Amino acid sequence: QVQLVQSGAEVKKAGSSVKVSCKASGGTFSSYAISWVRQAPGQGLEWMGGIIPIFGAPNYAQNFQGRVTITTDESTSTAYLELSSLRSEDTAVYYCARGTAAGMTPFEYWGQGTLVTVSS
Amino acid sequence: QSVLTQPPSVSGAPGQRVTISCTGSSSNIGAHYDVHWYQQLPGTAPKLLIYGYNNRPSGVPDRFSGSKSGTSASLAITGLQAEDEADYYCQSYDSSLSGSIFGGGTKLTVL
Repeated sequence: QVQLVQSGAEVKKAGSSVKVSCKASGGTFSSYAISWVRQAPGQGLEWMGGIIPIFGAPNYAQNFQGRVTITTDESTSTAYLELSSLRSEDTAVYYCARGTAAGMTPFEYWGQGTLVTVSS
Repeated sequence: QSVLTQPPSVSGAPGQRVTISCTGSSSNIGAHYDVHWYQQLPGTAPKLLIYGYNNRPSGVPDRFSGSKSGTSASLAITGLQAEDEADYYCQSYDSSLSGSIFGGGTKLTVL
């Protein structure tokens, strides 16, 4: 079955960047959209952006334009999220999620989450 | 402030029926974009519960159902059970934002 395994927790300084990975297994990586969703402590879910590997062009949420980069490596079935100019408000659990054959959503499979802590 | 509005909390006794609303606008639910629902148990990743109006992934009991009318959608849970206690989120697409959006989430408490 499909599994998304994310990289481990990160502690970063404000102003720096973080790169989180999401390795997929058990499916055709290139054809399915991968999105990134974050959840600040005690808060709700926030979509950051997504990409369909076979097309390559990411779509970013307006709130993150200019600070977020989503890429994929089809050779390793891995998606990446890079967030720059980190601030304390970026402290959150970051999830990758896979869409279905029908489109970017719904998010049928989720990674286990990666906690990113931003300290000043 | 989320584009999709959900009540912060709902509650019900075991065996009862509860509904969770998700109110949007003409640029998302009202524009006939699909609405999906997720269940998030404490400390875990969200799980897809309902997709595309009222479809359930394999393994989701038929106690869960979705509906939509105008610019709103609802999740109904019948025969409430203790293990249903979780946070629930609606999701859709917004044409003004050109991206996916979530509701603020609703905490369900089973009394």
